[in-house]
Amino acid sequence: DADVTQTPRNRITKTGKRIMLECSQTKGHDRMYWYRQDPGLGLRLIYYSFDVKDINKGEISDGYSVSRQAQAKFSLSLESAIPNQTALYFCATSDSTSGKIYEQYFGPGTRLTVT
Amino acid sequence: QQQVKQSPQSLIVQKGGISIINCAYENTAFDYFPWYQQFPGKGPALLIAIRPDVSEKKEGRFTISFNKSAKQFSLHIMDSQPGDSATYFCASHHNTDKLIFGTGTRLQVFP
Repeated sequence: DADVTQTPRNRITKTGKRIMLECSQTKGHDRMYWYRQDPGLGLRLIYYSFDVKDINKGEISDGYSVSRQAQAKFSLSLESAIPNQTALYFCATSDSTSGKIYEQYFGPGTRLTVT
Repeated sequence: QQQVKQSPQSLIVQKGGISIINCAYENTAFDYFPWYQQFPGKGPALLIAIRPDVSEKKEGRFTISFNKSAKQFSLHIMDSQPGDSATYFCASHHNTDKLIFGTGTRLQVFP
Protein backbone atom coordinates (compact mmCIF):
# COMPACT_ATOMS: atom_id res chain seq x y z
CA ASP A 1 0.00 0.00 0.00
CA ALA A 2 1.12 3.53 -0.75
CA ASP A 3 2.40 5.52 2.23
CA VAL A 4 0.80 8.79 1.08
CA THR A 5 -2.58 8.50 -0.60
CA GLN A 6 -4.69 11.15 -2.25
CA THR A 7 -8.36 11.06 -3.15
CA PRO A 8 -9.76 11.57 -5.68
CA ARG A 9 -7.06 10.95 -8.29
CA ASN A 10 -8.98 12.82 -10.94
CA ARG A 11 -11.80 15.30 -10.64
CA ILE A 12 -13.70 17.49 -13.05
CA THR A 13 -15.84 20.19 -11.50
CA LYS A 14 -17.63 23.34 -12.54
CA THR A 15 -16.84 26.95 -11.72
CA GLY A 16 -18.27 27.97 -8.36
CA LYS A 17 -18.45 24.48 -6.90
CA ARG A 18 -16.86 23.59 -3.58
CA ILE A 19 -14.42 20.74 -3.73
CA MET A 20 -12.26 18.92 -1.21
CA LEU A 21 -9.09 17.00 -1.89
CA GLU A 22 -8.01 14.55 0.77
CA CYS A 23 -4.63 13.26 1.82
CA SER A 24 -3.81 10.43 4.20
CA GLN A 25 -0.45 9.06 5.29
CA THR A 26 0.70 5.97 7.11
CA LYS A 27 4.30 7.11 7.50
CA GLY A 28 3.77 8.57 10.97
CA HIS A 29 5.20 11.90 9.84
CA ASP A 30 4.28 15.06 11.70
CA ARG A 31 4.51 17.52 8.82
CA MET A 32 2.22 17.72 5.82
CA TYR A 33 2.10 19.97 2.76
CA TRP A 34 -0.11 20.82 -0.21
CA TYR A 35 1.43 21.86 -3.53
CA ARG A 36 0.09 22.58 -6.96
CA GLN A 37 2.02 21.81 -10.13
CA ASP A 38 1.54 23.77 -13.31
CA PRO A 39 3.56 23.39 -16.53
CA GLY A 40 6.44 25.82 -16.56
CA LEU A 41 5.79 26.94 -12.98
CA GLY A 42 7.02 23.94 -11.06
CA LEU A 43 5.70 23.05 -7.62
CA ARG A 44 4.26 25.85 -5.54
CA LEU A 45 3.37 25.56 -1.88
CA ILE A 46 -0.26 26.23 -0.98
CA TYR A 47 -0.42 25.38 2.74
CA TYR A 48 1.67 23.47 5.21
CA SER A 49 1.16 22.04 8.68
CA PHE A 50 3.93 21.17 11.13
CA ASP A 51 1.50 19.50 13.53
CA VAL A 52 -2.25 19.19 14.05
CA LYS A 53 -2.55 22.63 15.64
CA ASP A 54 -0.08 24.41 13.39
CA ILE A 55 -1.26 25.45 9.92
CA ASN A 56 0.51 27.99 7.76
CA LYS A 57 -0.09 29.71 4.45
CA GLY A 58 2.29 29.01 1.65
CA GLU A 59 3.17 30.93 -1.46
CA ILE A 60 -0.26 30.75 -3.13
CA SER A 61 -2.96 30.25 -0.47
CA ASP A 62 -5.61 32.61 -1.86
CA GLY A 63 -8.75 30.70 -2.83
CA TYR A 64 -7.78 27.64 -0.79
CA SER A 65 -8.31 26.45 2.78
CA VAL A 66 -7.06 23.40 4.67
CA SER A 67 -7.96 21.22 7.60
CA ARG A 68 -5.66 18.94 9.57
CA GLN A 69 -8.14 16.48 11.03
CA ALA A 70 -5.50 14.24 12.57
CA GLN A 71 -1.78 13.74 12.31
CA ALA A 72 -2.38 11.43 9.37
CA LYS A 73 -4.97 13.49 7.47
CA PHE A 74 -4.70 16.84 5.72
CA SER A 75 -7.46 18.11 3.44
CA LEU A 76 -7.40 20.91 0.89
CA SER A 77 -10.61 22.76 0.00
CA LEU A 78 -11.49 25.04 -2.85
CA GLU A 79 -14.49 26.98 -1.57
CA SER A 80 -15.56 28.26 -4.97
CA ALA A 81 -13.54 26.70 -7.76
CA ILE A 82 -12.36 28.80 -10.69
CA PRO A 83 -10.80 27.67 -13.99
CA ASN A 84 -7.30 28.92 -13.12
CA GLN A 85 -7.27 26.41 -10.26
CA THR A 86 -7.05 23.67 -12.87
CA ALA A 87 -3.79 21.94 -11.97
CA LEU A 88 -2.13 18.85 -10.57
CA TYR A 89 -2.24 18.86 -6.77
CA PHE A 90 0.21 17.03 -4.57
CA CYS A 91 0.20 16.25 -0.89
CA ALA A 92 3.55 15.62 0.78
CA THR A 93 4.81 14.63 4.22
CA SER A 94 8.06 14.95 6.13
CA ASP A 95 9.47 13.89 9.46
CA SER A 96 10.85 16.67 11.64
CA THR A 97 12.99 14.14 13.54
CA SER A 98 14.62 12.78 10.39
CA GLY A 99 18.21 13.60 9.61
CA LYS A 100 17.08 14.46 6.09
CA ILE A 101 15.09 17.60 6.80
CA TYR A 102 14.93 18.36 3.06
CA GLU A 103 13.19 15.07 2.21
CA GLN A 104 9.49 15.16 1.52
CA TYR A 105 7.39 12.20 0.46
CA PHE A 106 4.81 12.95 -2.18
CA GLY A 107 1.48 11.32 -2.91
CA PRO A 108 0.48 10.31 -6.44
CA GLY A 109 -1.34 13.57 -7.12
CA THR A 110 -4.88 14.69 -7.93
CA ARG A 111 -5.60 16.07 -11.38
CA LEU A 112 -8.26 18.74 -10.99
CA THR A 113 -10.07 20.35 -13.91
CA VAL A 114 -12.39 23.30 -13.36
CA THR A 115 -14.67 24.03 -16.31
CA GLN B 1 9.61 36.36 -3.05
CA GLN B 2 12.20 33.66 -2.72
CA GLN B 3 13.05 32.10 -6.04
CA VAL B 4 14.97 29.26 -7.52
CA LYS B 5 15.60 29.62 -11.24
CA GLN B 6 16.03 26.42 -13.25
CA SER B 7 17.18 25.81 -16.81
CA PRO B 8 16.68 24.43 -19.36
CA GLN B 9 12.95 23.82 -19.43
CA SER B 10 13.48 20.72 -21.55
CA LEU B 11 16.47 18.63 -22.53
CA ILE B 12 16.99 15.90 -25.09
CA VAL B 13 20.04 13.68 -24.69
CA GLN B 14 21.22 10.60 -26.49
CA LYS B 15 21.75 7.42 -24.52
CA GLY B 16 25.20 7.43 -22.96
CA GLY B 17 25.48 11.19 -23.00
CA ILE B 18 25.72 13.65 -20.11
CA SER B 19 22.61 15.53 -18.98
CA ILE B 20 23.19 18.84 -17.22
CA ILE B 21 20.51 20.88 -15.45
CA ASN B 22 21.28 24.21 -13.81
CA CYS B 23 19.73 26.14 -10.96
CA ALA B 24 20.38 29.49 -9.32
CA TYR B 25 19.09 30.79 -6.01
CA GLU B 26 18.85 34.18 -4.38
CA ASN B 27 18.31 33.67 -0.67
CA THR B 28 21.26 32.83 1.54
CA ALA B 29 18.95 31.36 4.22
CA PHE B 30 18.85 28.08 2.33
CA ASP B 31 20.63 25.23 4.08
CA TYR B 32 20.21 22.25 1.74
CA PHE B 33 19.85 21.88 -2.00
CA PRO B 34 18.00 18.72 -3.03
CA TRP B 35 17.01 17.44 -6.44
CA TYR B 36 13.73 15.63 -6.99
CA GLN B 37 12.86 13.26 -9.84
CA GLN B 38 9.31 12.84 -11.13
CA PHE B 39 8.14 10.13 -13.50
CA PRO B 40 4.90 10.58 -15.46
CA GLY B 41 1.85 9.93 -13.31
CA LYS B 42 3.86 9.91 -10.09
CA GLY B 43 4.75 12.35 -7.37
CA PRO B 44 8.27 13.74 -7.13
CA ALA B 45 10.82 11.74 -5.13
CA LEU B 46 14.11 12.79 -3.60
CA LEU B 47 17.08 11.94 -5.82
CA ILE B 48 20.14 13.53 -4.23
CA ALA B 49 20.94 16.52 -2.00
CA ILE B 50 23.92 18.68 -1.06
CA ARG B 51 24.85 21.04 1.78
CA PRO B 52 26.26 24.50 0.93
CA ASP B 53 29.61 23.72 2.58
CA VAL B 54 30.30 20.96 0.04
CA SER B 55 31.24 21.64 -3.59
CA GLU B 56 30.28 18.29 -5.06
CA LYS B 57 28.28 15.21 -4.16
CA LYS B 58 28.12 12.05 -6.23
CA GLU B 59 25.72 9.13 -5.99
CA GLY B 60 26.16 6.62 -8.76
CA ARG B 61 25.65 8.35 -12.09
CA PHE B 62 24.18 11.47 -10.46
CA THR B 63 26.38 14.36 -9.31
CA ILE B 64 25.51 17.73 -7.80
CA SER B 65 28.01 20.53 -8.30
CA PHE B 66 27.61 23.52 -5.99
CA ASN B 67 29.09 27.02 -6.40
CA LYS B 68 28.34 29.01 -3.26
CA SER B 69 29.87 32.29 -4.43
CA ALA B 70 27.82 32.25 -7.62
CA LYS B 71 24.70 30.92 -5.83
CA GLN B 72 24.38 28.21 -8.45
CA PHE B 73 24.12 24.43 -8.39
CA SER B 74 23.71 21.83 -11.09
CA LEU B 75 22.77 18.20 -11.60
CA HIS B 76 24.90 16.07 -13.88
CA ILE B 77 23.63 12.69 -15.06
CA MET B 78 26.46 10.66 -16.50
CA ASP B 79 25.87 7.88 -19.04
CA SER B 80 22.22 8.94 -19.36
CA GLN B 81 19.77 6.10 -19.90
CA PRO B 82 16.22 6.00 -21.29
CA GLY B 83 15.05 5.11 -17.78
CA ASP B 84 16.31 8.51 -16.63
CA SER B 85 13.63 10.19 -18.75
CA ALA B 86 11.64 12.19 -16.21
CA THR B 87 11.08 15.70 -14.95
CA TYR B 88 13.74 16.98 -12.58
CA PHE B 89 13.19 19.69 -10.00
CA CYS B 90 15.90 21.47 -8.12
CA ALA B 91 14.92 22.82 -4.74
CA SER B 92 16.27 24.86 -1.91
CA HIS B 93 15.46 24.02 1.68
CA HIS B 94 14.79 27.15 3.68
CA ASN B 95 15.73 27.26 7.34
CA THR B 96 12.00 27.67 8.12
CA ASP B 97 11.66 24.10 6.85
CA LYS B 98 10.04 24.87 3.53
CA LEU B 99 11.18 23.69 0.13
CA ILE B 100 11.31 26.22 -2.69
CA PHE B 101 11.21 24.37 -6.01
CA GLY B 102 12.55 25.33 -9.41
CA THR B 103 10.29 25.26 -12.45
CA GLY B 104 11.37 21.80 -13.58
CA THR B 105 13.29 20.29 -16.51
CA ARG B 106 11.79 17.60 -18.68
CA LEU B 107 14.57 15.22 -19.69
CA GLN B 108 14.18 12.82 -22.58
CA VAL B 109 16.90 10.27 -23.24
CA PHE B 110 16.73 8.59 -26.62
CA PRO B 111 18.32 5.21 -27.39
